[in-house]
Amino acid sequence: RKEVEQDPGPFNVPEGATVAFNCTYSNSASQSFFWYRQDCRKEPKLLMSVYSSGNEDGRFTAQLNRASQYISLLIRDSKLSDSATYLCAVFGNAGNMLTFGGGTRLMVKP
Amino acid sequence: SAVISQKPSRDICQRGTSLTIQCQVDSQVTMMFWYRQQPGQSLTLIATANQGSEATYESGFVIDKFPISRPNLTFSTLTVSNMSPEDSSIYLCSVVSQGQFFGPGTRLTVL
Repeated sequence: RKEVEQDPGPFNVPEGATVAFNCTYSNSASQSFFWYRQDCRKEPKLLMSVYSSGNEDGRFTAQLNRASQYISLLIRDSKLSDSATYLCAVFGNAGNMLTFGGGTRLMVKP
Repeated sequence: SAVISQKPSRDICQRGTSLTIQCQVDSQVTMMFWYRQQPGQSLTLIATANQGSEATYESGFVIDKFPISRPNLTFSTLTVSNMSPEDSSIYLCSVVSQGQFFGPGTRLTVL
């Protein structure tokens, strides 16, 4: 089993749709959780941290479910510019480091 | 967040040669890492670059193949030695500074 796992997608959604991604992690002792966005041929950029109480930033909502060991990212009112690969990252899942999931590709279409 | 630059941004190299990638940060950072991202894959940690001591390598990566220098808290180099086509990848420098951030990457193609 992969340590941090994501559905690779692609998720093809129309503009304005709501889309959600999940990311599961294997180590219940993992400490911190993040979502990154990576555009084609660019470096990953930190999108948001995921707090135990959940957090929201505009159209983006991130949640943590420790009991089931997953984090989620919800995007409301999808824009064409949201098309990218979304990577989850877990700190402490395998040692004192960030472990990345394989990424979920989102394509928002007109 | 810290501003990270990498040189070169891309290179095409012959098999058997070596390439050194530089990473410069605009502020002093304690934690600096080197990652690899192969085509269509996620990020794999190569090593943690330690200032003033030898780098800490992850399983599957060794110093002879990927020597790393970290002379101070703002700079590091990664060398990809004796390259083969399997080393074709994007190499990313990353630092921790109120979150973990990545440099723009070096796109390496080995012929």
